[in-house]
Amino acid sequence: AQSVSQHNHHVILSEAASLELGCNYSYGGTVNLFWYVQYPGQHLQLLLKYFSGDPLVKGIKGFEAEFIKSKFSFNLRKPSVQWSDTAEYFCAVNFGKAAGNKLTFGGGTRVLVKP
Amino acid sequence: NAGVTQTPKFQVLKTGQSMTLQCAQDMNHEYMSWYRQDPGMGLRLIHYSVGAGITDQGEVPNGYNVSRSTTEDFPLRLLSAAPSQTSVYFCASSSAPRSNQPQHFGDGTRLSIL
Repeated sequence: AQSVSQHNHHVILSEAASLELGCNYSYGGTVNLFWYVQYPGQHLQLLLKYFSGDPLVKGIKGFEAEFIKSKFSFNLRKPSVQWSDTAEYFCAVNFGKAAGNKLTFGGGTRVLVKP
Repeated sequence: NAGVTQTPKFQVLKTGQSMTLQCAQDMNHEYMSWYRQDPGMGLRLIHYSVGAGITDQGEVPNGYNVSRSTTEDFPLRLLSAAPSQTSVYFCASSSAPRSNQPQHFGDGTRLSIL
């Protein structure tokens, strides 16, 4: 079965530090990839998505992600985090029509940015 | 813009009780889905619908029923609540059941089963 893995469950860093969150998936076919963010007490919001074209995708709030097909990865990055980036981040993959076009989520990474 | 509206926001039930979590969207989206969120497990799909009158099971459907009589509404029913169903439930919708469409999420329902 297709799966999505986020290797870091918790990340703690200081303001202005760089952030990279890993996301890997298990499927060799065409996929569409998403990163969602959930701020404390709020619902999930879309950060960015990739479905074709330039594998480096820029999203909101200074986030970007790079799709590396050969590594089945879609890592999220931000060069300099702020305290307001404290949130839980979810990678999600749509494995396409063969999998019913359902969205599969990774387990999430809780990010705490210390002021 | 209302988007996806879930009610209630919080609910406490006793084991064996039944209840319905409501979800409504005003964006004329065809695709709607229910997820449960548990610590360390991300979001897991319970049931989904690709249009009015059509529903299907997700990853963790047991103990839950859904129906889709209108495009706007997609209620989730717990027929006999169990402690294992304590979770945060999110409803989501998207404009089409195509894989490149992002989903819009409601604010969630925090459900505790005693």
